Amino acid sequence: NAGVTQTPKFRVLKTGQSMTLLCAQDMNHEYMYWYRQDPGMGLRLIHYSVGEGTTAKGEVPDGYNVSRLKKQNFLLGLESAAPSQTSVYFCASRLLGGSDTEAFFGQGTRLTVV
Amino acid sequence: KQEVTQIPAALSVPEGENLVLNCSFTDSAIYNLQWFRQDPGKGLTSLLLIQSSQREQTSGRLNASLDKSSGRSTLYIAASQPGDSATYLCAYKDMRFGAGTRLTVKP
Repeated sequence: NAGVTQTPKFRVLKTGQSMTLLCAQDMNHEYMYWYRQDPGMGLRLIHYSVGEGTTAKGEVPDGYNVSRLKKQNFLLGLESAAPSQTSVYFCASRLLGGSDTEAFFGQGTRLTVV
Repeated sequence: KQEVTQIPAALSVPEGENLVLNCSFTDSAIYNLQWFRQDPGKGLTSLLLIQSSQREQTSGRLNASLDKSSGRSTLYIAASQPGDSATYLCAYKDMRFGAGTRLTVKP
């Protein structure tokens, strides 16, 4: 039982490059989330999905796009990376949203944009 | 706008002390509230989930309470140990997080 798996774990990008982060869960969860974590700022929600084929904006969506073509996968894309996007990115999933279900997190992706 | 505040931002205690971490939120119409632990360089691990119909949850030396009327939750850690050293975060409703409390338990 892998839980929530993030790929890659580390990445260095040059300004203007693009990349996609993959989040995969094997728990048949409906809700999935992408966060970024910066020193002293806790976790900020970028985008989330309430089911296959759906996505919604969180607190800090600018500069990111997401897709949920398959229920088990939630992709986070950076079309033109900027140094301000240097951060640690976390993915999470839960069976249902807003209510009585536990959330599970991946181990994070450390992204540096130079 | 939903806001979550955690106080204190950092806490250092000697081993064996009982301690309380606080989490407050602006939206009183909450659903559930979840407490997490994060070790340096790691992801978040769920500690306790308090459902909206509950007032508290317990797991081992941890006890979390929820007071919807005052918009507060507390995480009580009994007989703290050096292995409890980590950052503790709370999240509620739409998975909005506080900035966390960094706990250090000194041997």
